[in-house]
Amino acid sequence: DAGVIQSPRHEVTEMGQEVTLRCKPISGHNSLFWYRQTMMRGLELLIYFNNNVPIDDSGMPEDRFSAKMPNASFSTLKIQPSEPRDSAVYFCASSLARTSYFGEGSWLTVV
Amino acid sequence: KQEVTQIPAALSVPEGENLVLNCSFTDSAIYNLQWFRQDPGKGLTSLLLIQSSQREQTSGRLNASLDKSSGRSTLYIAASQPGDSATYLCAVLNTDKLIFGTGTRLQVFP
Repeated sequence: DAGVIQSPRHEVTEMGQEVTLRCKPISGHNSLFWYRQTMMRGLELLIYFNNNVPIDDSGMPEDRFSAKMPNASFSTLKIQPSEPRDSAVYFCASSLARTSYFGEGSWLTVV
Repeated sequence: KQEVTQIPAALSVPEGENLVLNCSFTDSAIYNLQWFRQDPGKGLTSLLLIQSSQREQTSGRLNASLDKSSGRSTLYIAASQPGDSATYLCAVLNTDKLIFGTGTRLQVFP
């Protein structure tokens, strides 16, 4: 299996623009997680899905952030409008039997 | 609310030393604990996973122990090498959520 695949790997965008990050989990995994990593706050869980259903979105910072999982093989994390403080690395992870596997991350810079 | 803390935050040692990295967590009701390695600008690589019923796991020069009742885990690195330089993160699984520690930045110099 190719592992968890995230795109884009790097994105630089201007403040106010919409950003969409994508994730393809490992086939057969039933849970998917979105994390954000910053120097100040470390790795924070934003939201997670179980069997494509959002279970806990308490980590989503504000209404500008939204996440969807339309099917078992695809998820998106959207930021609209983006702000400079959203600059971070966004990781997607999928899990099966309580073992998590992480993607390589999406490096987002908002200028 | 689960909180995970790692000590020390940073460590710089000469090559060849044996190291101990510490991880503590506040809620002992965990399913497992995982140690990850992160190289600068890279993603997370899983090193070891210890189930809540286990006491330790070993992989090569790495040994991780778990004392669930006291809320502690240690990662032991034997005979450290410059290639071990990275940030090491521990994470505990509560229900379905993986909660990360603050990380230990390790530098091993020749």
